[in-house]
Amino acid sequence: NAGVTQTPKFRILKIGQSMTLQCTQDMNHNYMYWYRQDPGMGLKLIYYSVGAGITDKGEVPNGYNVSRSTTEDFPLRLELAAPSQTSVYFCASSLQGVGEKLFFGSGTQLSVL
Amino acid sequence: GEDVEQSLFLSVREGDSSVINCTYTDSSSTYLYWYKQEPGAGLQLLTYIFSNMDMKQDQRLTVLLNKKDKHLSLRIADTQTGDSAIYFCAEIREGTALIFGKGTTLSVSS
Repeated sequence: NAGVTQTPKFRILKIGQSMTLQCTQDMNHNYMYWYRQDPGMGLKLIYYSVGAGITDKGEVPNGYNVSRSTTEDFPLRLELAAPSQTSVYFCASSLQGVGEKLFFGSGTQLSVL
Repeated sequence: GEDVEQSLFLSVREGDSSVINCTYTDSSSTYLYWYKQEPGAGLQLLTYIFSNMDMKQDQRLTVLLNKKDKHLSLRIADTQTGDSAIYFCAEIREGTALIFGKGTTLSVSS
């Protein structure tokens, strides 16, 4: 039981490039989330999903896209990367909903130069 | 939306008590949470309190909730160097998503 797995752990992008941050969980959780963490700014919710085929915007969705074709996977897509997207990205999941314990991945550190 | 507010830094000596404060925004949040983040790692749930409670004690941790003022606090008794981390409070906003504060960095010196 690996929990929440994120790949890659580190990535450097050039401005304008695109990439997908992968997130997979093996706990059969319905709810999945993407957060970004900036120094001194805490975690901001980018997108979340309450189940396969359903996604919704969080606090800071601009510049990102997500999909949820399976229960296990919740990839985050960056199109036209910008320096403002330099951050640490965390994926999280919970079984039934937001009121339950969130399980976090170990994070992806992304730099856009 | 409004931010969940926390002080950014707290420094204590080993053995002292630490109190981390938080002001949240959504009075309908059914639960309020404290998460802990150690260096280079994701967040882990430390403790939580149901919104109809005033206090919850869990070993060295005491959570106090003042719903009138939307104030949440976390007290760590007998603070140890291993407690050095960033502590985040979080609320459930609009029943759909967990919103975090900016985090309080706790530094424990021996």
